[in-house]
Formats: sequence, structure tokens, C-alpha cells
Amino acid sequence: AQSVTQLGSHVSVSEGALVLLRCNYSSSVPPYLFWYVQYPNQGLQLLLKYTTGATLVKGINGFEAEFKKSETSFHLTKPSAHMSDAAEYFCAVRQAGTALIFGKGTTLSVSS
Amino acid sequence: EPEVTQTPSHQVTQMGQEVILRCVPISNHLYFYWYRQILGQKVEFLVSFYNNEISEKSEIFDDQFSVERPDGSNFTLKIRSTKLEDSAMYFCASRGTGELSEAFFGQGTRLTVV
Repeated sequence: AQSVTQLGSHVSVSEGALVLLRCNYSSSVPPYLFWYVQYPNQGLQLLLKYTTGATLVKGINGFEAEFKKSETSFHLTKPSAHMSDAAEYFCAVRQAGTALIFGKGTTLSVSS
Repeated sequence: EPEVTQTPSHQVTQMGQEVILRCVPISNHLYFYWYRQILGQKVEFLVSFYNNEISEKSEIFDDQFSVERPDGSNFTLKIRSTKLEDSAMYFCASRGTGELSEAFFGQGTRLTVV
């Protein structure tokens, strides 16, 4: 069975600071990995995904994530936080032929 | 840009009543999903649907729930005998045929059982 663990339910950063949201997965076979963002009262929007190939993937809004198989991790980063980045972030995993399984989410707060 | 559309955006129902949540997936997608998110909790998988049948379901998706694709465009989730704990945001998602394709989510239907 696959699962996702997001360390830290709440992360607070100052505007301009580095954003690091942690995600570890458990899967019997190499999975496909995703980060979704949810703004208040909205649906889930895909930020980025890793399926095959380059392990450093770039997404929208300046976010990127690196797949590290040895650490079973897929942490999300952004060099410089913006106020508009405040949202809920979900890491998700999927194996071939199965549905997305989400982590519990991390709320990102950005202060000025 | 194509999008997944869900109606209604908010549904209030009395305990014990049946509700149908509706979704229009992206037109050329063939995989359909329902997820729910209880307030303040994580997004939980309910069911996936492909080729007119359920392909995968979670333990949450018991006999109280059913899904249907009544025509070529709609994908519905029926919840019978609603309970207070069914109150949640329900998300529909669809995915294309490519194994590497990502799921696109609708804006959700907030179900409130009173």
C-alpha cells in the first residue's frame, strides 16, 4: 500500500524567505508524485509532478521539487516566498493504474 | 482552458435524505474520481471509475455511496441516508488516457448535513 507523510501541518515564513514543505512517501514500486495547492474556498490545482526522467521538476509560481529515491522524499521548495503563496499544499502519490493518495496537507502562512 | 465542473457548489440536506452530487469531467478524459475533504482534514479518495465501472474504491465508499455516468458528459455521486459525518467538501476529478497524465479537479461541492 502506498502512503504519503507531510511533516509539519503548518509552516510559517516571512515574505522573501525560502519555502520548504516536506513530503515523504511509502510505495512498493516507484510512484508518480505530485504537489497540489488549494487556495481558500477553491479546488485543488496542480503545482508540479514527477513521473519519469529528471528528478528536479519545476512547476508553476516558481515552485520546484526534487525526487530523491534513496530518501523516499519529494520536498517542495521556493526560493523566495510571496504573500500570494499562502495556501494549503498537498503532496500526493500514485502508482500506475491507481488513484491519487494525498498527504494530510501543510498550511503555508507568509508574513510581511 | 478545459475544466471539471461541479454542481451545486453548496448543498444543504437533512439527515437521512439522499443527495446527488454532479460533475462534468473534461470531455476527452476517461478516468473519473470522487474525493472528499472533511473540514480541516486531508483529501480522502473515495472511488475511481473507468470504462463504465468502478475500478478502485476505498473503505469509505460503502453501500451508502454509488456512482454513475448516466450520459456521455455527467458523472454523479449519490449518497443515500446522509449522516452528519457526511458533511464535507466533495471533489470530482478526471484524467486523460495517458498513464503519466495528471488529474484535474473541480471546485468542489460543499455538502452540509443538518
